[in-house]
Amino acid sequence: GAVVSQHPSRVICKSGTSVKIECRSLDFQATTMFWYRQFPKQSLMLMATSNEGSKATYEQGVEKDKFLINHASLTLSTLTVTSAHPEDSSFYICSAMSQGANSNQPQHFGDGTRLSIL
Amino acid sequence: DAKTTQPPSMDCAEGRAANLPCNHSTISGNEYVYWYRQIHSQGPQYIIHGLKNNETNEMASLIITEDRKSSTLILPHATLRDTAVYYCIVIYPGRRALTFGSGTRLQVQP
Repeated sequence: GAVVSQHPSRVICKSGTSVKIECRSLDFQATTMFWYRQFPKQSLMLMATSNEGSKATYEQGVEKDKFLINHASLTLSTLTVTSAHPEDSSFYICSAMSQGANSNQPQHFGDGTRLSIL
Repeated sequence: DAKTTQPPSMDCAEGRAANLPCNHSTISGNEYVYWYRQIHSQGPQYIIHGLKNNETNEMASLIITEDRKSSTLILPHATLRDTAVYYCIVIYPGRRALTFGSGTRLQVQP
């Protein structure tokens, strides 16, 4: 089945640091990838939609200058949390769909990145 | 996308069938029903999806009522590893993000 790899799985860093999270589709090409955020005991919330070769589309309330998304190839999207602060501590999860899949095919998710800002 | 309603929590004995209900009374004709689950501290895992017919795969069965206003996910022989939050999502097919509700927290008891 389709595999989405996310790296790193856990990051602990000081306030003010920028952190890059990678999302890779290992065995398929993904024109579109999605980035979600999940706070403790809450459900996943969509942050942005990442499209290969074009600018990402951000959800209302998500700062595009703080959460930089790059989708430079059909198998890789990156999320960079710039100048991270403790309130950015969360579980970040990406998902992807196969480029060639039928439109009703499911999205596949990475295992998430737990970001802790001290 | 149609709104879904799921019970917040359920318990199931290990080895028994787990039947997780989902109401989606406002579902439209072309919307699919998808089920995902999230085990603690992991990303969501796709389980199964369907349009109107019942579906079965190696993980579970999906029973959709004839009027499509509700569905049931069946895990035939629940194990402790099936303890997770289960999400029922109704959505038009396509390259669109999923909207996650609160889901059902299934606790499989030994």
